[in-house]
Amino acid sequence: QKEVEQNSGPLSVPEGAIASLNCTYSDRGSQSFFWYRQYSGKSPELIMFIYSNGDKEDGRFTAQLNKASQYVSLLIRDSQPSDSATYLCAVIGGSSYKLIFGSGTRLLVRP
Amino acid sequence: GAGVSQSPRYKVAKRGQDVALRCDPISGHVSLFWYQQALGQGPEFLTYFQNEAQLDKSGLPSDRFFAERPEGSVSTLKIQRTQQEDSAVYLCASSLDRKETQYFGPGTRLLVL
Repeated sequence: QKEVEQNSGPLSVPEGAIASLNCTYSDRGSQSFFWYRQYSGKSPELIMFIYSNGDKEDGRFTAQLNKASQYVSLLIRDSQPSDSATYLCAVIGGSSYKLIFGSGTRLLVRP
Repeated sequence: GAGVSQSPRYKVAKRGQDVALRCDPISGHVSLFWYQQALGQGPEFLTYFQNEAQLDKSGLPSDRFFAERPEGSVSTLKIQRTQQEDSAVYLCASSLDRKETQYFGPGTRLLVL
């Protein structure tokens, strides 16, 4: 079992819809959770981070964390074609500092 | 100031050649990380520096990989006797401190023929 799991996709949504991206992790001691966006041929770009259970909103993005169920999700409201990219979930374990990444979910927003 | 920079952006090497990849972190960032990203995968941790000290090199795939950060700023990842399986994107990230948010450079795309 991989430490961080994501559905590879592609997740296809129409423009203006809500895109929901999910991630599960295996280390119960994990404390820091990150969503990075990666366009093809580019490096990962930080979208959001979340440390506490619950929701965290930033513009069109909402990160949700449920430590009991060991999942973290990213909601993108009013999806735009420019949101089409691979979204990487990353976790830092409780006693660590390394980012452990999932393989990423490819999001395609159809005009 | 500026973000993390890396050079070269692309490198083609013949199998058996040595390569050196450079990373210039964000000014003032104490922590520096190297990751390797294979096609279609998420980045994987290689090594970590706190200032000039290499505190973790557990992710380096073999003893052909060597990293240094002698003055606590610029870092170099060196790969000796490159093999085809070394072909990947090498990403450098820096952060204010080890548990703070990591910011990535543009990466170096290495192709070993």
